[in-house]
Amino acid sequence: DAGITQSPRHKVTETGTPVTLRCHQTENHRYMYWYRQDPGHGLRLIHYSYGVKDTDKGEVSDGYSVSRSKTEDFLLTLESATSSQTSVYFCAISATSGSYEQYFGPGTRLTVT
Amino acid sequence: GNSVTQMEGPVTLSEEAFLTINCTYTATGYPSLFWYVQYPGEGLQLLLKATKADDKGSNKGFEATYRKETTSFHLEKGSVQVSDSAVYFCALTLNNAGNMLTFGGGTRLMVKP
Repeated sequence: DAGITQSPRHKVTETGTPVTLRCHQTENHRYMYWYRQDPGHGLRLIHYSYGVKDTDKGEVSDGYSVSRSKTEDFLLTLESATSSQTSVYFCAISATSGSYEQYFGPGTRLTVT
Repeated sequence: GNSVTQMEGPVTLSEEAFLTINCTYTATGYPSLFWYVQYPGEGLQLLLKATKADDKGSNKGFEATYRKETTSFHLEKGSVQVSDSAVYFCALTLNNAGNMLTFGGGTRLMVKP
């Protein structure tokens, strides 16, 4: 299994509070991604990173920001959480060679009350 | 743009039945194709892959053949088990900058004993 961990695994927070989710990899892969998974929507890309300090927006980036100060860590921040951001968040990583598949972390279940 | 279409679920089968989950794609270029599986409460795991036309990916008794002429990558298994109950996602990447994955909506499989 690819070495990807996410923290926390579960979080309940109140509307309007800031939240940061962490993704940590031990594979030294260049690319990292944040997705959200919601019933009826499958997986949707929030942001991704193609190197240290290099990030770009995905399909559903509004209300989210990311940072990557080290190869191994990719942080997702909700500046002011809203109930619509209640979801399961997955981190993924991908190498720059081979068949380019992505490997996923175990997920973080976030509930915004 | 790129897109992946999967048959809608849920698919309900009895143990030892034959499984087919249809997947078709639209892509500009020559994608690599993947099937991911998500067991309850877990992240996505890569099940199998194919990187060029006529390649057959296989793993754990599952198979899928990359058919360029029909732009399809149907997932099959000859005899399903209760433990195969999960959500299956078809996906593609164009192996370009970012290794971006385009996912289908997922198909839930339920296998009854």
